[in-house]
Amino acid sequence: DQQVKQNSPSLSVQEGRISILNCDYTNSMFDYFLWYKKYPAEGPTFLISISSIKDKNEDGRFTVFLNKSAKHLSLHIVPSQPGDSAVYFCAAKGNDMRFGAGTRLTVKP
Amino acid sequence: DVKVTQSSRYLVKRTGEKVFLECVQDMDHENMFWYRQDPGLGLRLIYFSYDVKMKEKGDIPEGYSVSREKKERFSLILESASTNQTSMYLCASTSGGDYNEQFFGPGTRLTVL
Repeated sequence: DQQVKQNSPSLSVQEGRISILNCDYTNSMFDYFLWYKKYPAEGPTFLISISSIKDKNEDGRFTVFLNKSAKHLSLHIVPSQPGDSAVYFCAAKGNDMRFGAGTRLTVKP
Repeated sequence: DVKVTQSSRYLVKRTGEKVFLECVQDMDHENMFWYRQDPGLGLRLIYFSYDVKMKEKGDIPEGYSVSREKKERFSLILESASTNQTSMYLCASTSGGDYNEQFFGPGTRLTVL
């Protein structure tokens, strides 16, 4: 039972353009959402988070949007850089933490 | 610089062997976690611990056990390794606050032949 879904296993964008990674969840008890970035041969590292009382959180080139009514969040990266190429995991926290399957982002020079 | 270390980056074991995966954190975190990462499934929680000698089952504890004798160390044990336990194993830790992000180790790629 996957409560957090990332339906796009991969995404490819051109350097300088916007990357949009999407995440859907089913459990309305989730009240905190996080994005992690994972490079090959490394563990995931925290990128950005958002509380359910907000609908947007911005940190430099990274912005996370939360649409509670749609149970959907997205991560925007603007402008995308080749160093952003990695696997991005969406996570949602209620009583415990649930992770999506990940989206592999490739940013082409 | 915070750090979570795992004893091995790559491990190859045979079916039926007992396997120990070690995780150490230097952040004095109360909570520690073991996940496995499989393609298309994301990270799935095996066990977690919120204090020394305390443990809680995650979503997929079958075939695994854990040990937390010291605050900084959390061990994952495969009592009798099977081929379906071939996976990437990730350890994580976090402090006691509800909404703190987890810090992950680099992972151990375990192959069971």
